[in-house]
Amino acid sequence: DTAVSQTPKYLVTQMGNDKSIKCEQNLGHDTMYWYKQDSKKFLKIMFSYNNKELIINETVPNRFSPKSPDKAHLNLHINSLELGDSAVYFCASSQDFPGQVYNEQFFGPGTRLTVL
Amino acid sequence: DQQVKQNSPSLSVQEGRISILNCDYTNSMFDYFLWYKKYPAEGPTFLISISSIKDKNEDGRFTVFLNKSAKHLSLHIVPSQPGDSAVYFCAASAPGNQFYFGTGTSLTVIP
Repeated sequence: DTAVSQTPKYLVTQMGNDKSIKCEQNLGHDTMYWYKQDSKKFLKIMFSYNNKELIINETVPNRFSPKSPDKAHLNLHINSLELGDSAVYFCASSQDFPGQVYNEQFFGPGTRLTVL
Repeated sequence: DQQVKQNSPSLSVQEGRISILNCDYTNSMFDYFLWYKKYPAEGPTFLISISSIKDKNEDGRFTVFLNKSAKHLSLHIVPSQPGDSAVYFCAASAPGNQFYFGTGTSLTVIP
């Protein structure tokens, strides 16, 4: 049973297109995240989201938007794709525990996006 | 601005020996640190963590050491096994903040 799954695993597309990456977690977690790992291997958070709050990393272009149809899903929509968007995108989730400041994040396998 | 740095992109160690992976950080507000392990084509998986109130945390073959004055942490794996070959990321966070990840160190354990 896959805890955090992402589709597709690979995505190759042309500049200017709009694409979505789906993420689902079956762990019953409260919070989901999107990370981007660029060509220099930096793994940076893009968004964190629970049913109360969306936190956006201010460096993320507004062409990127998370959409959460329900607690188990957080999809990533990207409009007007650019060459620099080529990267591996990881979804993650965590469970919030009262009184616990830090919660272990469980990652999906990643989606490798290539923009031509 | 990379607040967490792993300056060694790769490390090779003989099976049975100790692997030492290093991580430096710049933000003195960081008070929680984690190590993640990543195999090819998989997402990172949590390995071990340490809070700033400790200087050492041990879990089986894995030990994380934290030197707050030097803003440095290290992961020791002993004895190293071929199955430990993976990319290891360190991450750090301040209260209420996001996690900042290093760029990873690729460990190869040679049988």
